[in-house]
Amino acid sequence: SQKIEQNSEALNIQEGKTATLTCNYTNYSPAYLQWYRQDPGRGPVFLLLIRENEKEKRKERLKVTFDTTLKQSLFHITASQPADSATYLCALDSRRNTPLVFGKGTRLSVIA
Amino acid sequence: DTEVTQTPKHLVMGMTNKKSLKCEQHMGHRAMYWYKQKAKKPPELMFVYSYEKLSINESVPSRFSPECPNSSLLNLHLHALQPEDSALYLCASSQGTGTGNTGELFFGEGSRLTVL
Repeated sequence: SQKIEQNSEALNIQEGKTATLTCNYTNYSPAYLQWYRQDPGRGPVFLLLIRENEKEKRKERLKVTFDTTLKQSLFHITASQPADSATYLCALDSRRNTPLVFGKGTRLSVIA
Repeated sequence: DTEVTQTPKHLVMGMTNKKSLKCEQHMGHRAMYWYKQKAKKPPELMFVYSYEKLSINESVPSRFSPECPNSSLLNLHLHALQPEDSALYLCASSQGTGTGNTGELFFGEGSRLTVL
């Protein structure tokens, strides 16, 4: 069956450290993968998109990698801050170039 | 601030009521979406409109009826809902067509629906 798994439901990290979140998928062949941030009671906000032919993407303190052999994406936040505390969702196109399917998300807490 | 506006933010309705959720975007996007999200769960796709035509219906019960009056507006009409339909309903839009390269989604803040 098709699955998108984010490594843990919750992740606590000390301020200033690098947070690493994992997204694994099974029985999908996505053309791209996206990461979103969602704060409680609000809609998701787009962060980064990485295509199947790209290994790595960066934006300010954020970095995303995509390994289509391992069927895995890693999402890194360097120099994490308490304001980075939120739920982070990975999403991919469920069939080639079709609307997004979301993982369950990882709730990140950055502790001062 | 999000550029996708959803109203109302909160809605409480009985199982026999008829109500509507509304969504508006002025970014010129060609695709609009409805997602449903339960607590501690990911958003689940319900409907996709591409160029004002319904292109995807993810086997949603007929008590949910989408409508796209024009390229900027998306409605979700609700009738005879069940308590288990209580959730956050998210509208989104994208520059992509919705059935091709979707690209990033722009979400509204959602409408929190409670069915009594």
